[in-house]
Amino acid sequence: AQRVTQPEKLLSVFKGAPVELKCNYSYSGSPELFWYVQYSRQRLQLLLRHISRESIKGFTADLNKGETSFHLKKPFAQEEDSAMYYCALRGSGNTPLVFGKGTRLSVIA
Amino acid sequence: EAGVAQSPRYKIIEKRQSVAFWCNPISGHATLYWYQQILGQGPKLLIQFQNNGVVDDSQLPKDRFSAERLKGVDSTLKIQPAKLEDSAVYLCASSFPSGNTIYFGEGSWLTVV
Repeated sequence: AQRVTQPEKLLSVFKGAPVELKCNYSYSGSPELFWYVQYSRQRLQLLLRHISRESIKGFTADLNKGETSFHLKKPFAQEEDSAMYYCALRGSGNTPLVFGKGTRLSVIA
Repeated sequence: EAGVAQSPRYKIIEKRQSVAFWCNPISGHATLYWYQQILGQGPKLLIQFQNNGVVDDSQLPKDRFSAERLKGVDSTLKIQPAKLEDSAVYLCASSFPSGNTIYFGEGSWLTVV
């Protein structure tokens, strides 16, 4: 079974502090991992995916197969990063995304 | 490009009534999804279409929920009769068949009283 766990419901950090949003997954094969973000009053949108190994808005995430984790990190938080963040997994084939429950990031000025 | 369109944005109904939500995906996207997002939880897949065929509806409560995509473009999700626990945001999303990126609509907020 596919499962995504985001252990923190809420994470509050000060502006300029480092951010790490945790994500652990359960999947027997080789998954694709994603981070989606939802800013206030906006639709859910893709932030980044592990295949691309890219940095978006200063965020990065590395897939650690040994620890089955895909934590989202940013060295210096900004107020505009405040949003809901969802980790998502997709198995092999054209299978749908399975989402975690989400973590609300609040960046305090 | 135009995004995924959904309507209505908000709906309040009494339990045992029926409701229908409409979705127009991004042009050219053969794959369409309906997700249910209950407050405080992540989106949960209800049904996935490939063109006008159902790929996965294993989590769709078929005794009360139905969905169709007759011409392989627009889709409708219906709930009849509604229960209090159906109060949620219903998200429509679309993608190319092998696309890594799934695009979401703004959602239809349902409150059942």
